[in-house]
Amino acid sequence: QKEVEQNSGPLSVPEGAIASLNCTYSDRGSQSFFWYRQYSGKSPELIMFIYSNGDKEDGRFTAQLNKASQYVSLLIRDSQPSDSATYLCAVKGGQGAQKLVFGQGTRLTINP
Amino acid sequence: GAGVSQTPSNKVTEKGKYVELRCDPISGHTALYWYRQSLGQGPEFLIYFQGTGAADDSGLPNDRFFAVRPEGSVSTLKIQRTERGDSAVYLCASSLYPAGTGQTSGNTIYFGEGSWLTVV
Repeated sequence: QKEVEQNSGPLSVPEGAIASLNCTYSDRGSQSFFWYRQYSGKSPELIMFIYSNGDKEDGRFTAQLNKASQYVSLLIRDSQPSDSATYLCAVKGGQGAQKLVFGQGTRLTINP
Repeated sequence: GAGVSQTPSNKVTEKGKYVELRCDPISGHTALYWYRQSLGQGPEFLIYFQGTGAADDSGLPNDRFFAVRPEGSVSTLKIQRTERGDSAVYLCASSLYPAGTGQTSGNTIYFGEGSWLTVV
C-alpha cells in the first residue's frame, strides 16, 4: 500500500461547479496535511495546509481532514479554467518525521 | 534571492557520466529538501538537510546519489555513473523551519523550478 494515495484522474469538471479531490494516507500517526497545485512543466505551489480534524476554508478552497478515516480532501468552489492543474496531496508523518510524502497527484481539467 | 534557485534548468548527459545539480534556497531558510519527480508521478523524497547536516537521507535510491550542504545554504546533489532511469525532474525546496513544525507559515515549503535531467 502506498503511503499517500490519490485518484490519478483525469478529473473533468464544468466551469463554475465544485471540484472534489481526495487523498488517503496509511500512517495513522501523520500530523500535517498539505495540498499543492502543479501546472504542467512548473513546480508545486502550496495551496493549503490542515492539521486538525474538520474543515478549513481559504477563499474558494476548502480542505477537509478526517484522521479516523485517514482521509483528506480538497474542494474547489466556483471552478475556473485557471484551476486546471495537477493537485498533489502531501503528508507529514508522525514520530518526528520532517519530510513530506506526496501522492501521485490528480489531474484536474475545468471545462469552460 | 526571491525564490529557490536551481541550476542547471536542463541537463542532458550520457549514461555513465557524473552530474551535479545545484540548489540555492531562499535566504535564511534552514531546511532544504531534494525531491525527484518522474512524469505522471508525485515528487519522491530524496534527502532533507537541517543546516549543514543531512537529517534524513532515507530517500536516496542507492550509493550513486549523494548530496552536500557544506555551509548550510547552497546544496549540491551529485549523481555518479548516471543511468537512464535517473531521468527525471530534480526538485529542490526550502523552508524557514522544518516541514510541519508548529502551525505557522514558517514551515511552508517552497519549491524551485527544478532541474530536468535526461540521461541518454
